[in-house]
Amino acid sequence: KAGVTQTPRYLIKTRGQQVTLSCSPISGHRSVSWYQQTPGQGLQFLFEYFSETQRNKGNFPGRFSGRQFSNSRSEMNVSTLELGDSALYLCASSLGNRGNTEAFFGQGTRLTVV
Amino acid sequence: DAKTTQPTSMDCAEGRAANLPCNHSTISGNEYVYWYRQIHSQGPQYIIHGLKNNETNEMASLIITEDRKSSTLILPHATLRDTAVYYCLYSGNTPLVFGKGTRLSVIA
Repeated sequence: KAGVTQTPRYLIKTRGQQVTLSCSPISGHRSVSWYQQTPGQGLQFLFEYFSETQRNKGNFPGRFSGRQFSNSRSEMNVSTLELGDSALYLCASSLGNRGNTEAFFGQGTRLTVV
Repeated sequence: DAKTTQPTSMDCAEGRAANLPCNHSTISGNEYVYWYRQIHSQGPQYIIHGLKNNETNEMASLIITEDRKSSTLILPHATLRDTAVYYCLYSGNTPLVFGKGTRLSVIA
């Protein structure tokens, strides 16, 4: 079956702009989590959505937001982009059962803010 | 913050077993140990997970100590393609929290 699909793969934006990233999970998966990866901070958890509801949130400013649709596809939005938002943004999908479930990651969207 | 401790880097000769250790002394009884790896510029790849019994799949084996405070991921016959950053983490009711991982270099 198809894996996790993230679009676009690469993006260049200017400071102050906003950006929307998309994630299509594996069919049947109801949980989508988003992560930011930078060389300095590593993989950091942004938020998790399950059945269209935000279930967990990491320690990021309100400029970072997300949502999940009824078909489990998810989008994340970053407003008022800063240079420090340049990163690889990864989403992971899982069945959503707590504990005993593996997550599958997409290839990521590499965002460059100039 | 990551709650596991892993060596920063390790080397392994091609064809030999790679044994990657991880300490997770604060793990709770209902939390599973997970291992993922990330090859440069790709998304992390799930390897294996377990609760208290040893586990094996087509990729690796997971050995969890009886007190569950540490575990070892074993790649039985490492190849150059296994060069990656390996992350050990645990999770029960919380999202996956990644630490810095171990950078494994498989050498020909």
